[in-house]
Amino acid sequence: DAGITQSPRYKITETGRQVTLMCHQTWSHSYMFWYRQDLGHGLRLIYYSAAADITDKGEVPDGYVVSRSKTENFPLTLESATRSQTSVYFCASSNWTHQPQHFGDGTRLSIL
Amino acid sequence: SQQGEEDPQALSIQEGENATMNCSYKTSINNLQWYRQNSGRGLVHLILIRSNEREKHSGRLRVTLDTSKKSSSLLITASRAADTASYFCAIYKGGGSQGNLIFGKGTKLSVKP
Repeated sequence: DAGITQSPRYKITETGRQVTLMCHQTWSHSYMFWYRQDLGHGLRLIYYSAAADITDKGEVPDGYVVSRSKTENFPLTLESATRSQTSVYFCASSNWTHQPQHFGDGTRLSIL
Repeated sequence: SQQGEEDPQALSIQEGENATMNCSYKTSINNLQWYRQNSGRGLVHLILIRSNEREKHSGRLRVTLDTSKKSSSLLITASRAADTASYFCAIYKGGGSQGNLIFGKGTKLSVKP
């Protein structure tokens, strides 16, 4: 089925560990985005990608790394997780930045 | 802040009533979008309204845009319990590929049967 899928849906890890969140879309959309959603802050953009091998920082990129070797995949890595990175993470895709975005169902990440 | 600000933060109504949510912003925009988020799910796009448009409809949804007041409203008519969700506005300022959507903090709508 066409869509955007995130994995895992839930993850618990410890501070200092590396964790990678996966995002896969089947629409061949050019743009992909990573957001975090926290109470009181709404959605904040972490990183985005305009195409394979093209990525750029969003509003809150510190502590995160992204890559995009294939159009359909856009993994987000926390290289050394901190408690402040406990959040719900959403991946989204669109054909262009001004067009509607399609969201995955999120990864709820808890860092102990 | 450049993001849209939704008002009210929370809204509770009875089934069958209309629900109105407002979004205010501070910059000029290229378009404004409304999204819905059900509990535990991702955001779902509802309507996009361009800066040169004043009103758009989609089913029971009506969106208005007043660029002179830098505000937009989302009206849900004849609400249903299934409309219970958080609603977000997002503004796109423009600037080609460098511009991104900026989301507000949302209005939490509760529709009681």
